[in-house]
Amino acid sequence: SQQGEEDPQALSIQEGENATMNCSYKTSINNLQWYRQNSGRGLVHLILIRSNEREKHSGRLRVTLDTSKKSSSLLITASRAADTASYFCATKPYAGNNRKLIWGLGTSLAVNP
Amino acid sequence: GAVVSQHPSRVICKSGTSVKIECRSLDFQATTMFWYRQFPKQSLMLMATSNEGSKATYEQGVEKDKFLINHASLTLSTLTVTSAHPEDSSFYICSARDGWASSRTDTQYFGPGTRLTVL
Repeated sequence: SQQGEEDPQALSIQEGENATMNCSYKTSINNLQWYRQNSGRGLVHLILIRSNEREKHSGRLRVTLDTSKKSSSLLITASRAADTASYFCATKPYAGNNRKLIWGLGTSLAVNP
Repeated sequence: GAVVSQHPSRVICKSGTSVKIECRSLDFQATTMFWYRQFPKQSLMLMATSNEGSKATYEQGVEKDKFLINHASLTLSTLTVTSAHPEDSSFYICSARDGWASSRTDTQYFGPGTRLTVL
């Protein structure tokens, strides 16, 4: 079952603005990952942050993790129209079946030119 | 980077027929592959976990006789939707874990998906 929840469910911004998406989860995790999906396509891995990390950067992406609040945020700076996509967080639980990822419901981002 | 292909990308079939979808890891060995189903504007729903050389592990509520999964080699897994019906119409996506790298990265590499339409 899905345990991750992203908010907002949908976000519409202008090109050049920053976009922030949040993800909350319920159980202890080993790591949390963010993926991107363009309409009608597969998913692309963006960034992975481990439970002992608090912040990670990759280009215009910045991910934070707060394990005490069981939440993560994905920040896309200086957004571009090409960033328009759905963004999903996925968690790897600390215990149990260590192969499955638990997926969030996703945030649909629209960047208007 | 790791590439996963899926074939076909789109298929339209008549009700009652069976459809096979292939998922291949092109430049790495995938000890584990995952099959997902996705409805429009919704998240991924894990259907089953496929391990090379052994039986797939199906998620609760997924009919294993309806969705046959075979993972005969380290680079190929297939999903066969048997006796397809209109309610099986969906977007099916596979992903694969790199058997060597995944212990470090836990990353899944996704195929481009297959759009199945059952008439």
